[in-house]
Amino acid sequence: DAGITQSPRHKVTETGTPVTLRCHQTENHRYMYWYRQDPGHGLRLIHYSYGVKDTDKGEVSDGYSVSRSKTEDFLLTLESATSSQTSVYFCAISERGLFAAYEQYFGPGTRLTVT
Amino acid sequence: DQQVKQNSPSLSVQEGRISILNCDYTNSMFDYFLWYKKYPAEGPTFLISISSIKDKNEDGRFTVFLNKSAKHLSLHIVPSQPGDSAVYFCAARGLTRGGADGLTFGKGTHLIIQP
Repeated sequence: DAGITQSPRHKVTETGTPVTLRCHQTENHRYMYWYRQDPGHGLRLIHYSYGVKDTDKGEVSDGYSVSRSKTEDFLLTLESATSSQTSVYFCAISERGLFAAYEQYFGPGTRLTVT
Repeated sequence: DQQVKQNSPSLSVQEGRISILNCDYTNSMFDYFLWYKKYPAEGPTFLISISSIKDKNEDGRFTVFLNKSAKHLSLHIVPSQPGDSAVYFCAARGLTRGGADGLTFGKGTHLIIQP
């Protein structure tokens, strides 16, 4: 158990409304990531963070913003939700060990439906 | 353009036999490869990984082989068990800012273990 929680776990919202998803970790890991999973696409990286207030864009960042004001929390915001953002969102964490392990550990996911 | 490809959407294997899942990649800058297992309504679970400087890594029933010249890797599961039925994702590590590890995922292969 990597100590990752995501909230909410399920959300239905209307087109044009803002939505914020929260990822919380208890292990003090430096690196955090947001991915989305869609049928036929696998998982795709949205944004990532390499420290408090240090974030950058991933492969599919358009329409999303992130913030990390504390080590343990990484927030994903859809400023104005669209139906194309209906997806399952996963948060992940990773940390550098002595041997530079690159494994990422995932949270349980948030299923978001935009109507 | 898909940089990590899993060309078999599904694979059916008899219990006790070997399962072989395949993955191809196009980006020669990838330096680390991972396999994840995913059950419905759960986050992906890390299974096994391999550095690009190795050609084989083994962990119990799971072995990953890497053929760098062919840009191909495979996951072998021996013997296959009913609990192995899941979707398997191949992922590759690329360079991102701040030492973070953006993973590029394939679309997944649904492995079904038949009794």
